[in-house]
Order: sequence, then C-alpha cells, then structure tokens
Amino acid sequence: EAGVAQSPRYKIIEKRQSVAFWCNPISGHATLYWYQQILGQGPKLLIQFQNNGVVDDSQLPKDRFSAERLKGVDSTLKIQPAKLEDSAVYLCASSPPGQVWYGYTFGSGTRLTVV
Amino acid sequence: SQQGEEDPQALSIQEGENATMNCSYKTSINNLQWYRQNSGRGLVHLILIRSNEREKHSGRLRVTLDTSKKSSSLLITASRAADTASYFCATSRNNDMRFGAGTRLTVKP
Repeated sequence: EAGVAQSPRYKIIEKRQSVAFWCNPISGHATLYWYQQILGQGPKLLIQFQNNGVVDDSQLPKDRFSAERLKGVDSTLKIQPAKLEDSAVYLCASSPPGQVWYGYTFGSGTRLTVV
Repeated sequence: SQQGEEDPQALSIQEGENATMNCSYKTSINNLQWYRQNSGRGLVHLILIRSNEREKHSGRLRVTLDTSKKSSSLLITASRAADTASYFCATSRNNDMRFGAGTRLTVKP
C-alpha cells in the first residue's frame, strides 16, 4: 500500500510570497488532514476534509491560508502572503472512513522556511 | 481543546533501560494514540488505545489509559538507540485528533 505522498519536500520563500503544498492520501481514505508543526511543538490541526467537504477549519488562518480537495482525493494547501511565523513543517495525514481505529497515516511533510 | 500534554518534555536514558512518558488531557475522548517522530520526518503511528480499554501492549510498548484521571502513559521497555525520537500523544474525539507538545527521548548507546 502506497503511503501519503507530499510535495515539495522543502521550500524556501521570502515573506509576502505565495506557496502551495500538495498531498495525495492513501487510496480509499476519505478523511484528509493538514497539520502545521512549528519547531519544538506538536502538530496543530489546520483543516480536516471528509471527501471533498470541510469538516473543521477552525484553526486555519483564513486571511492567508486556503485549502481545497476538489475531487475528494488529493489536496492543496496554499499560503498567500507568507509571514515569517509560517515557517514550519506542513504535514498531511489521511484515515479511512468511519472511526479511527488504526491511527492516521502521515506523509513526510513539507518543510517551509520563510525568510 | 482536548490537546494532550506530555511529561516530561525531555528524557535521556541508557540503552537497555525502560522509558516512561506520560500524557494528560482535558476532555472526554474516543481514543488516545501515541506517535513517534524521528528528526525531520513524518509521524509514525505506534499504538491506539480506546476509551474503554485500560492497557494495551505492542512489542516493547505498553500503554495505559486512566479515563478517570484523564491520563495515559507509554512505556518502552529495553530501550535501544534507535528509539531516540520525539513521542507525541494524540487525543481523538469524533475523528478530530489533537496533539500534545511531545517528549523528546534520547537513548544513549
């Protein structure tokens, strides 16, 4: 079974620029999550999708962050414009439909550095 | 928020010793999970314990859950240098999972 794919692996941008991250979850996993992990901290949920619908985006800074999962499969997270404090690892995870009895599967993440 | 809080923040032990990490949380949960993260990598799921379970084992891992105290512990027995990583507890309710800040474990050879 292929894992959760994320790209790019690393990204360095200047503040006020835009950036986009891509995630392809495990086939058949209806639920997809984006987490932000700042160095030294635990992952923080940004947005949760169930198929192509948003379940929870309460912690997504909507003035600059956006995410979509148009066909209920892969997803894109965008930051526009980026700030220095957006420097973090952005993790994508997926889980099968229904209760999460076996844990989430995470991708390797995209490390963003804003300079 | 049902974010878990791990204790200690950092733990350093010798190879062969046991490592115990604790997690406390604030609200009722469906399950609690432990994840490992090696430096610069994604998170790897270790073990899940449901709210109606009290103890679970997986290889060298032992997890306990006390819902009355809203706490959990992760025990790694006979630690190895390869166990060096950050360990996170994550509490889950209705498919909404929140992480704590993690425990950084260093196992010295």
